[in-house]
Amino acid sequence: DQQVKQNSPSLSVQEGRISILNCDYTNSMFDYFLWYKKYPAEGPTFLISISSIKDKNEDGRFTVFLNKSAKHLSLHIVPSQPGDSAVYFCAASGTGWGKLQFGAGTQVVVTP
Amino acid sequence: DAGVTQSPTHLIKTRGQQVTLRCSPKSGHDTVSWYQQALGQGPQFIFQYYEEEERQRGNFPDRFSGHQFPNYSSELNVNALLLGDSALYLCASSIQDRSSTDTQYFGPGTRLTVL
Repeated sequence: DQQVKQNSPSLSVQEGRISILNCDYTNSMFDYFLWYKKYPAEGPTFLISISSIKDKNEDGRFTVFLNKSAKHLSLHIVPSQPGDSAVYFCAASGTGWGKLQFGAGTQVVVTP
Repeated sequence: DAGVTQSPTHLIKTRGQQVTLRCSPKSGHDTVSWYQQALGQGPQFIFQYYEEEERQRGNFPDRFSGHQFPNYSSELNVNALLLGDSALYLCASSIQDRSSTDTQYFGPGTRLTVL
């Protein structure tokens, strides 16, 4: 029962351009969403989150957009840098749940 | 400020053996969650510990058990290892607040290989 889906397993983008990563969810009880970045041989690193009471949250080069009616969120990275090459995971949870449910991840490659 | 630490980094076991993985949470955090990440997949929730008790559990068999100590550190134990238990085991820490949802911070993981 995959309640969080990242349908693009990979994304290639040129340095300086915008990277857009997408995530869909099916459980309407989710009210908190997070993006994590993972390098090989390391644990996931928290990037940015958004509560369901908002539709946008921005932190430096990273912006997350939430469309509750479509059960869709996206992460925008502008401008993309070579160090952004990693696997990005979308995760979701509900208030007081504790557990996070993750998508399968999107491999981002930023080319010079 | 020390982040989440896990030990060991790598571990090789044979089928049927038992393994114990360890985790120390980020300073100030009181809640520890464990996840299993198979190759090419996202992390899957195993269970969460708070106040030395298992508070939530995912769809994992009883072979997976855990413990939390008074200093908030935690152990994950897996008995009767199967080949399918080979994965990256991640520990995440957070602050318990049932009125909101707190961000979980992950350790580097323990890579378990079962032969």
